[in-house]
Amino acid sequence: DGGITQSPKYLFRKEGQNVTLSCEQNLNHDAMYWYRQDPGQGLRLIYYSQIVNDFQKGDIAEGYSVSREKKESFPLTVTSAQKNPTAFYLCASRTSEVNTQYFGPGTRLTVL
Amino acid sequence: AQKVTQAQTEISVVEKEDVTLDCVYETRDTTYYLFWYKQPPSGELVFLIRRNSFDEQNEISGRYSWNFQKSTSSFNFTITASQVVDSAVYFCALSGSLIQGAQKLVFGQGTRLTINP
Repeated sequence: DGGITQSPKYLFRKEGQNVTLSCEQNLNHDAMYWYRQDPGQGLRLIYYSQIVNDFQKGDIAEGYSVSREKKESFPLTVTSAQKNPTAFYLCASRTSEVNTQYFGPGTRLTVL
Repeated sequence: AQKVTQAQTEISVVEKEDVTLDCVYETRDTTYYLFWYKQPPSGELVFLIRRNSFDEQNEISGRYSWNFQKSTSSFNFTITASQVVDSAVYFCALSGSLIQGAQKLVFGQGTRLTINP
């Protein structure tokens, strides 16, 4: 089946630890995105990537890092510099021709 | 700057009622896209519709319909004969054109819709 997968579904982190969230897509999409959702709020863009080995900061990139070594993969690392990382993280992707983003199932990160 | 406002934080109706979710947007772009997404309790955002700024025709898909009015910068979503399965959070979103480098979706705060049996 084609789609976007995110793992893990739930993630618990101790303060001071870095954690990496996985996002994989087999849709052959060129662009990939990471969004953060806080309770009762809309989504905010963290990072995006249009092509392999290239990515740009979104609105709330501080405390996060990404890589895009393969077209199908766009992992997000939440570093200890992110002061309030507890949130729901959603990955999305789209083709270069059509302006519609499709979303994965999300990862819920909780800092203990 | 682009902005999307969904003034209705929560709506609760009884099954089979019609319900309209409001969306008002702000942009200086002449070419832009509007979207609606559904977020069920599982959390995944499900794409419902995309509309470009040059197409003001209303669209109907089954029980769903969308009313796009550039004159009032609105893109409202109506569910006819609502069902319990329609219960979810609905997001309206806005982006620029691909030529302009449409790399970001700007989301509204979302409207939580509860359909009671």
